[in-house]
Amino acid sequence: DVKVTQSSRYLVKRTGEKVFLECVQDMDHENMFWYRQDPGLGLRLIYFSYDVKMKEKGDIPEGYSVSREKKERFSLILESASTNQTSMYLCASSPTSATQPQHFGDGTRLSIL
Amino acid sequence: SQQGEEDPQALSIQEGENATMNCSYKTSINNLQWYRQNSGRGLVHLILIRSNEREKHSGRLRVTLDTSKKSSSLLITASRAADTASYFCATVLGGKLIFGQGTELSVKP
Repeated sequence: DVKVTQSSRYLVKRTGEKVFLECVQDMDHENMFWYRQDPGLGLRLIYFSYDVKMKEKGDIPEGYSVSREKKERFSLILESASTNQTSMYLCASSPTSATQPQHFGDGTRLSIL
Repeated sequence: SQQGEEDPQALSIQEGENATMNCSYKTSINNLQWYRQNSGRGLVHLILIRSNEREKHSGRLRVTLDTSKKSSSLLITASRAADTASYFCATVLGGKLIFGQGTELSVKP
């Protein structure tokens, strides 16, 4: 079974801090994704990556950046956290196409105070 | 961008009853996927149906696809309390998977 592991289930940070969310997958998948999930807004794609060192903007990239130095690891960075970035963050991976079934981690519930 | 929309938004049934959720989408698709999300957890892929398929089964799940109406339905038969979750359809738009807002299913014992 594919395992997608997010480093923290819950995280509390302060406004202006630089925040790192880490995600690791163990099935050699090409594609990795970061979403945020908010009530009434559903899942929104922040960034995705289809290869090491490659990244593509999703629908809401503002205020975020990503890093993929190794195939199994995809990091989401909040450059200067703001309260409107309080949300549930979900990482996912898929084998060779972004439209194949995606495997999700359990999410990080991030609160920015 | 809103590609898939589920209906109803919320559904409450008794254990043993069937649950039906619907998904409508706007553009042509190659495939449509259904996912489940338990409270506070990530999404789990349930089933993928291709555009040339009309019906697909997996255990107690039955998915239908009507490309002429741009709609799909997910039927859970003989529901259990453990089926309580949110259910999402996902379709492809611009080379990416776009998820609907989901249907919240509550199965009461």
